[in-house]
Amino acid sequence: DQQVKQNSPSLSVQEGRISILNCDYTNSMFDYFLWYKKYPAEGPTFLISISSIKDKNEDGRFTVFLNKSAKHLSLHIVPSQPGDSAVYFCAALTDSWGKLQFGAGTQVVVTP
Amino acid sequence: GAGVSQTPSNKVTEKGKYVELRCDPISGHTALYWYRQSLGQGPEFLIYFQGTGAADDSGLPNDRFFAVRPEGSVSTLKIQRTERGDSAVYLCASSPGLPPENTQYFGPGTRLTVL
Repeated sequence: DQQVKQNSPSLSVQEGRISILNCDYTNSMFDYFLWYKKYPAEGPTFLISISSIKDKNEDGRFTVFLNKSAKHLSLHIVPSQPGDSAVYFCAALTDSWGKLQFGAGTQVVVTP
Repeated sequence: GAGVSQTPSNKVTEKGKYVELRCDPISGHTALYWYRQSLGQGPEFLIYFQGTGAADDSGLPNDRFFAVRPEGSVSTLKIQRTERGDSAVYLCASSPGLPPENTQYFGPGTRLTVL
């Protein structure tokens, strides 16, 4: 039962521009969300998170927006850099033990 | 300090064989998770340990899969009678405590190929 969905498998963006990655979820009980970044042959690394009590969280070039009524979150990367080329996973925290449910990921390619 | 390590990095086996995948978490991390990532998908939860005990094994697909963490540190994921559908990257993650204050740190994974 896929409750976290990333419907865009890939995104190509020019260096210096904004990257916008989208994520939708179906379970209204989810109240904490995370974004992970993954390079080939490496494990996912934590990027940024947001609690449902907020609608925005910012960390440097990365901002996550949460729209609870739409069950939608997005990750903005501004400005995009070549090192941002990676697969980005959206995840929801499903219980108090830390079980994460991930989306299928979006491959971002930042071109010069 | 050292991150989460997983061995082997690659494992090729034949259908029906038994395999063991090892995870060395970050020292002092009490929580340990196993996930499986199939091609084109995100990681999928398998099992969670808090200390030595499996607090949640609801993600294990069937009884061919088993995991242990006997001393509360290293964990081994064991797969019996492997099937071609078991081919995936098996990821281990550890955390110093419970969420949301504590994030999970992932290892590089073991790529399992069942021929």
